[in-house]
Order: sequence, then structure tokens, then C-alpha cells
Amino acid sequence: EAQVTQNPRYLITVTGKKLTVTCSQNMNHEYMSWYRQDPGLGLRQIYYSMNVEVTDKGDVPEGYKVSRKEKRNFPLILESPSPNQTSLYFCASSSWTGNYNEQFFGPGTRLTVL
Amino acid sequence: DAKTTQPPSMDCAEGRAANLPCNHSTISGNEYVYWYRQIHSQGPQYIIHGLKNNETNEMASLIITEDRKSSTLILPHATLRDTAVYYCIVRVEGSSNTGKLIFGQGTTLQVKP
Repeated sequence: EAQVTQNPRYLITVTGKKLTVTCSQNMNHEYMSWYRQDPGLGLRQIYYSMNVEVTDKGDVPEGYKVSRKEKRNFPLILESPSPNQTSLYFCASSSWTGNYNEQFFGPGTRLTVL
Repeated sequence: DAKTTQPPSMDCAEGRAANLPCNHSTISGNEYVYWYRQIHSQGPQYIIHGLKNNETNEMASLIITEDRKSSTLILPHATLRDTAVYYCIVRVEGSSNTGKLIFGQGTTLQVKP
């Protein structure tokens, strides 16, 4: 089954404790992206990757890092989480053929930083 | 990317067609209209997209006006499972595009028994 998986689905942590949210897709997609969703602000893009070893900032990259060492994986790293990073996070992927006709989203990771 | 305007909420009776409008009066000639939906904090789900012509797939139909300033997403026989937030997104395709989707506030569709 074609899908985007994220782990963990729920996480409660404390300020400053490094964490990684994994994202994996099994569709051989070149393009992958991270969004965060907050009430009243909608979904905002954090980082994206056009292909392996190619990443770039989205609209709200501060406090986050990403890497793309393999095509299927695109982990989101919070080196020193803060309470304002409490949010619902989504990973997405799509095939890059000059268009992004259909983006597939993961189930989401609900992060709480105390 | 052009801005879109959608009603904040709509109701629809189960089994009836749900018609969700979207205004995009500043759309450019090379911008596509996309529809996604999000069911209760799940990951957004692609529904359909189009440029000029009307489009239909197994989920929905997309009707784009001739001047392309507005469009309507039609769910022909709404079910309770179609209750969700529906997002109309307008964006350019091509090599200069980052693939970023700009989600507005969307329309909350409530399908009622």
C-alpha cells in the first residue's frame, strides 16, 4: 500500500531535549516536505526536499533541521525543542515530474513540549 | 500564488450533492486549482485539481468558470465520512515551484443524517 508513515504519532517531551520525528514514504517520490498545523494559522511549510541531499527552508524553518540521505526518508529534527514548537506535524511527499499533482500526507505527529 | 476565498462552513444532507464554492479572482493563466480535504486532524488528502476544463474523478467533480475566477467542488452523494475541512488551493506548476501548498482556513463541511 502506497503510504507516508510518521513516527512517533504522539510525543510529550520537555524543553531542550533533542528529538527526531521520522518520515518515510514507499512510493519512490522525489519531493518531500514538512508542515506544522496550529489553530488559526493553518498548515505552514517548515522544510522541503526536492531530492536526495537537496533540502531548503519553507516558511517557518527556525528551530528545525532536516536531512535527506535516502530517497524514502526525511526526518525532522528539533535540536532544542521549545514550547512554541508544540504543534501537529505532517510529512508529505509527491512525485516530481515538473508538477506536484498529488501530494500524499502522513497521519501526523502531535508534539507537546513542556 | 493567488489567494482563495471560501465560506467558513456549510451543511449538507447525507445522500445529497455537496457543492463547495471557491473564489480565486486574481488567478493567473498558469495557476491550477487544487482541492484537498482534512478529516479531523488526519493528514490532508488530495481530491482533485484542474486548470481550465472541468474535471471528474472517483471522488468528486471540479467545475471551473470560464473566466477561471471561481470554482466549485462537487461531492455527488455526500456521506457522513465526507465531513471534513475542504481546502481550495491555487498554485503555479513548473520547475520554479517548490511544491509548497498554501492552506487557507478552508470550508468545514458538515454532512448530516
